Amino acid sequence: EVQLLEYGGGLVQPGGSLRLSCAASGFTFSSYAMSWVRQAPGKGLEWVSAIGNNGDSTYYADSVKGQFTISRDNSRNSLYLQMNSLRADDTAVYYCAKGSSGWPYYFDGWGQGTLVIVSS
Amino acid sequence: EIVMTQSPATLSVSPGERATLSCRASQSVSSNLAWYQQKPGQAPRLLMYGASTRATGIPARFSGSGSGTEFSLTISSLQSEDFAVYYCQQYNNWPPRTFGQGTRLEIK
Repeated sequence: EVQLLEYGGGLVQPGGSLRLSCAASGFTFSSYAMSWVRQAPGKGLEWVSAIGNNGDSTYYADSVKGQFTISRDNSRNSLYLQMNSLRADDTAVYYCAKGSSGWPYYFDGWGQGTLVIVSS
Repeated sequence: EIVMTQSPATLSVSPGERATLSCRASQSVSSNLAWYQQKPGQAPRLLMYGASTRATGIPARFSGSGSGTEFSLTISSLQSEDFAVYYCQQYNNWPPRTFGQGTRLEIK
């Protein structure tokens, strides 16, 4: 069974930084692309970033390009999101999502999310 | 960027009745369209991919159809556990991977 556990969220001041982590289990992590998706309070889903299975390709939403960095460590079955220069509108629950097999891929597994609050 | 538009924003249906949710893409996404269900306080769950293929464990009362720019999700006989928010997402042309704004399915 796919299990994804995000952690690292919390309260951070505007302009601050935070690093989110996602621990994966139940599947061969190194074989699948992964993404981060966020959801602001009371709002819909917004794709944030994606990374290829071996980390060689990364993609970002325009809203976070140059601000966030996605990475992974396949030896630790872990996905990361480094978030810098945080703003109030980055406040959201951040989910990690597993890409399906095949191409193009959809999201066939989701973590429970970690809440990031950007506020002074 | 492909814009996904869902309608209606809120749908009120009685248990046991049929519900049809719509999703429109601003340009063709072929059949690369997924549907997700989200209940309050929970993560999204994959319902449908390839526009019409049910994900593992999804009951047969859920069906999807469409291709190109027009898609629909139908729930044939609503159960209490089906009342939730539903999102469509295209994965044909990205970045960015875009979601619709969601349809809230509520009990009438």
